[in-house]
Amino acid sequence: GAVVSQHPSRVICKSGTSVKIECRSLDFQATTMFWYRQFPKQSLMLMATSNEGSKATYEQGVEKDKFLINHASLTLSTLTVTSAHPEDSSFYICSARDPRGGTEAFFGQGTRLTVV
Amino acid sequence: AQSVTQPDIHITVSEGASLELRCNYSYGATPYLFWYVQSPGQGLQLLLKYFSGDTLVQGIKGFEAEFKRSQSSFNLRKPSVHWSDAAEYFCAVKFSGSARQLTFGSGTQLTVLP
Repeated sequence: GAVVSQHPSRVICKSGTSVKIECRSLDFQATTMFWYRQFPKQSLMLMATSNEGSKATYEQGVEKDKFLINHASLTLSTLTVTSAHPEDSSFYICSARDPRGGTEAFFGQGTRLTVV
Repeated sequence: AQSVTQPDIHITVSEGASLELRCNYSYGATPYLFWYVQSPGQGLQLLLKYFSGDTLVQGIKGFEAEFKRSQSSFNLRKPSVHWSDAAEYFCAVKFSGSARQLTFGSGTQLTVLP
């Protein structure tokens, strides 16, 4: 099946710094990718929809200046957490839909971000 | 309003026992339905999906789910649970015409006793 790779799987950063998370579709081209955030013991909440070649669409309440999304190619979307604070610590997961396979979504392995 | 509900936050079963995880949705039509499993610190793995056709769907790892239109449900089942099945299970729904990719239920944590 289609594979989505997310990197890094775990990152620790200092408050005030920025962290970039990559999401790659390995064997298909994804015009649309999705970024989710998951708090401990909770479900996934959609943060934004990443569109190749255009601006991302953010969900209500998500700060677009804090969570910068770039979808520069058909196989790569990046999420940059800018000026990170401890409250940004969370599990971030990306997903992509293989346009050849209908509405099934494939998920990356997730990134555990800890801001100290 | 469109919503997905997993009524059970935590379920504990003994190894070898049968399992049923509940999922209900609220929507005026039939959505696309999915079950995902998440191990600690990991991403999500698709167990099975329903788009149309046969309402009993077979998935990986011995799981199956049955879509019941009259009950707006898509419950996940396994006849005999293994210790390795301990994980978090998410029901997800794609509502037709929705700009969002998937709407997730709150998840059910499965504990398997030896």
